[in-house]
Amino acid sequence: GAGVSQTPSNKVTEKGKYVELRCDPISGHTALYWYRQSLGQGPEFLIYFQGTGAADDSGLPNDRFFAVRPEGSVSTLKIQRTERGDSAVYLCASGLNSYNEQFFGPGTRLTVL
Amino acid sequence: KQEVTQIPAALSVPEGENLVLNCSFTDSAIYNLQWFRQDPGKGLTSLLLIQSSQREQTSGRLNASLDKSSGRSTLYIAASQPGDSATYLCAVRPGGGSNYKLTFGKGTLLTVNP
Repeated sequence: GAGVSQTPSNKVTEKGKYVELRCDPISGHTALYWYRQSLGQGPEFLIYFQGTGAADDSGLPNDRFFAVRPEGSVSTLKIQRTERGDSAVYLCASGLNSYNEQFFGPGTRLTVL
Repeated sequence: KQEVTQIPAALSVPEGENLVLNCSFTDSAIYNLQWFRQDPGKGLTSLLLIQSSQREQTSGRLNASLDKSSGRSTLYIAASQPGDSATYLCAVRPGGGSNYKLTFGKGTLLTVNP
């Protein structure tokens, strides 16, 4: 079956602009996660959704970052007033539930100029 | 706070060599440990997942071991091939609350030369 997909694969934007990153999880997976991977680092947890609700958003770096999952499937990570430090690969993962293995998508590489 | 360290940061070997990648973690109260492969510009591919009650897992030329009490895991790659060149990441899943948060190391960049 289809794996986790993320769009766009690459996004280049200018400092101060707004961006949206999309994640399509594996069908039937109720748990969805966002991670951020900066250059030379391992991925770091941002937020976890169980169904439609954000069960844990403790990893979001500040209030410029927001994520939604309105129908319990597709999720969108939204970043306002982007800064150069936001440049990273944003990875999405999904799992049957929070106890099961997480399957990762290919990521979106965000570059803020 | 859990910290995961991977040694070495980079490794270059000739084709055919057997090699070992190391991962250490500071909090032994883990649910499981997972090894991933990441190709340049790509996402993460899961290689092996070891539950906290297990000592090792094998898949083809790969063998991962886990010593939870000492906070260590190793990934053994037998008869390395140029196609094994990638970054290898180790991630631990905590055993307590919030046990969905994976904590990753920075990875080992492996280059296998033909």
